[in-house]
Amino acid sequence: GNSVTQMEGPVTLSEEAFLTINCTYTATGYPSLFWYVQYPGEGLQLLLKATKADDKGSNKGFEATYRKETTSFHLEKGSVQVSDSAVYFCALSDLGSGYSTLTFGKGTMLLVSP
Amino acid sequence: GAVVSQHPSWVICKSGTSVKIECRSLDFQATTMFWYRQFPKQSLMLMATSNEGSKATYEQGVEKDKFLINHASLTLSTLTVTSAHPEDSSFYICSATELGISNQPQHFGDGTRLSIL
Repeated sequence: GNSVTQMEGPVTLSEEAFLTINCTYTATGYPSLFWYVQYPGEGLQLLLKATKADDKGSNKGFEATYRKETTSFHLEKGSVQVSDSAVYFCALSDLGSGYSTLTFGKGTMLLVSP
Repeated sequence: GAVVSQHPSWVICKSGTSVKIECRSLDFQATTMFWYRQFPKQSLMLMATSNEGSKATYEQGVEKDKFLINHASLTLSTLTVTSAHPEDSSFYICSATELGISNQPQHFGDGTRLSIL
């Protein structure tokens, strides 16, 4: 079956530091890949996505590249801010029965200090 | 665009009460809505998938009679936790995908925190 593995957190960084959160996946077929962000007490917001190999998703300074050869979709940001503190979920979807069922990683908490 | 509204955001009630949670797609028609449960500091666990006008598909281990799902229209799905007990306390999140657009990302509501005393 499908699965997503994320690095365990929390990841603790100072403001303006470089961020990498690793994500690898196993899937049959050609899934789409997503990063979602969850702020405390809230639901999930789509951060970025990529639908095929070598696609790069980007948003709000975050980016991730769909690497089929290494089955990875690592999240990066060049300079984090305190407001980026949240839990980040890597996810994949495959059409399965015709709709997009999501498989989530366990989430990685990011804590950014001033 | 693609806003999903979930209501209520917080519920506290006594054991034995039934609680209904609403999930609405505000500016799009949702082919499919999903219900998740999230325990503290853990990932989302898919409970069930519902398509408008048909019965929900429940994941293994999820009690159909405990968690009643109704998807009566293309913009509304409800989850009713029947005779809730303290072990049902959790954060419940719904999501929806747009009608007619394949492989689109799910759009999530802000979640409902359910606390059973």
